[in-house]
Formats: sequence, structure tokens, C-alpha cells
Amino acid sequence: GAGVSQTPSNKVTEKGKYVELRCDPISGHTALYWYRQSLGQGPEFLIYFQGTGAADDSGLPNDRFFAVRPEGSVSTLKIQRTERGDSAVYLCASSLITAAFSYNEQFFGPGTRLTVL
Amino acid sequence: QKEVEQDPGPLSVPEGAIVSLNCTYSNSAFQYFMWYRQYSRKGPELLMYTYSSGNKEDGRFTAQVDKSSKYISLFIRDSQPSDSATYLCAMRVSGANSKLTFGKGITLSVRP
Repeated sequence: GAGVSQTPSNKVTEKGKYVELRCDPISGHTALYWYRQSLGQGPEFLIYFQGTGAADDSGLPNDRFFAVRPEGSVSTLKIQRTERGDSAVYLCASSLITAAFSYNEQFFGPGTRLTVL
Repeated sequence: QKEVEQDPGPLSVPEGAIVSLNCTYSNSAFQYFMWYRQYSRKGPELLMYTYSSGNKEDGRFTAQVDKSSKYISLFIRDSQPSDSATYLCAMRVSGANSKLTFGKGITLSVRP
């Protein structure tokens, strides 16, 4: 089956503009994560959805960042008033939700490379 | 200080060498320890995971976790040019689903 897909693969925008990044998780995966990877760094957690609700949004850097997952499948990460420091690769991952204290692998998409000029 | 520190790179080795990659961490609540491999312009892919302390072997790859020292390692035997990639350590606390905390990654180049 298909893996996690993300669109667009590349996005160039100007400072101050609004952008939306889309993630299509693996079918049947109830858990969905967003991470941000800056150049030369490891991915940093942004937000985690369990179904339609955000179970953990502690990684969102400020209120310019917002994410939704209205039907429990596709998710959109929204960034308002973009800044040059937002330039990074935004990664989405999905996983199953099984019993507590079990390991559920997070499968990553290829990412969206955002460049803010 | 970051929760997860990874040895800086880049690292260049000849084909056939044994490679040792290491990470240290500060959060004693971490229970799952992962190694991901990331090729250029791709997402990370899971190589191995270990729960709590101990060793795990998968082909040419061996993962070690020492919780008492808060230190994890990945060993690659008989390294191949196809192993050239960025390697990321990642960790998380117990619980069915929780966020991953990554090291900054190290870029490995295996010379033919």
C-alpha cells in the first residue's frame, strides 16, 4: 500500500504570507504527527493527533502555527505571517494506535520543503 | 543542553569498516530507543528499535542501550557504500503513542 504522502513537495513563499501543508497518512493509521527539520538538525516535534483531536500540541512554536485533522485522516499544517526562520522541511508521520505500552512505528513522509524569502 | 545529544559528524569510512554511532540523553523517562536512516530529500526510515536496556542485532546492524549511562550506540559491520546516509537516534517515553525526540543526526559516507 501507499506510504505517507505530503504535498506540496516544495513551497516557496514570501515573508508575511500564509501557507498550508498537507499530509495524507497511511490508510488506517489513527495517529498522525508533524515534525519540523531545520538544515543540519534532527526533526523536532510539533503536534500529535489521535483521531481528529490534537492530543499533544506542545511543540508548536507560537500561535502562527496551527494544524487540523477534521475527519481523522488528512491533516493540514497552517502557518500564518510566515517568517524567514520558518524555512525548514516539515515532516509528517503516521502510526497505528494499539494497546498501551506497545511499540507503534511512526512512518514518515518525504516532507515539504518550505522556503520563506 | 538538549535532551538528546549525538556525536557530531560528518563521518567518512572505507568500505568494509565497522562504524560506531553514539548518542547520549538526559531524560531518564525515555524507554524506547530508535535509529533512523535518512537519505537526502527523503523522510527518516526506521532501522531498529530497542525497548529499555540491552542489545539487538539485525543483520549487519547492532543497537545497544545502556540506561544506567544514558548512552546508546549503533554498530554497522562490513559497511557498504549503500549505507551512506544520515543516521538519527530518536527516543520516546513509554505509552502507546508519544512524540519522538531526535538527535541532530550524523552524515556517514562509506568510500568504495
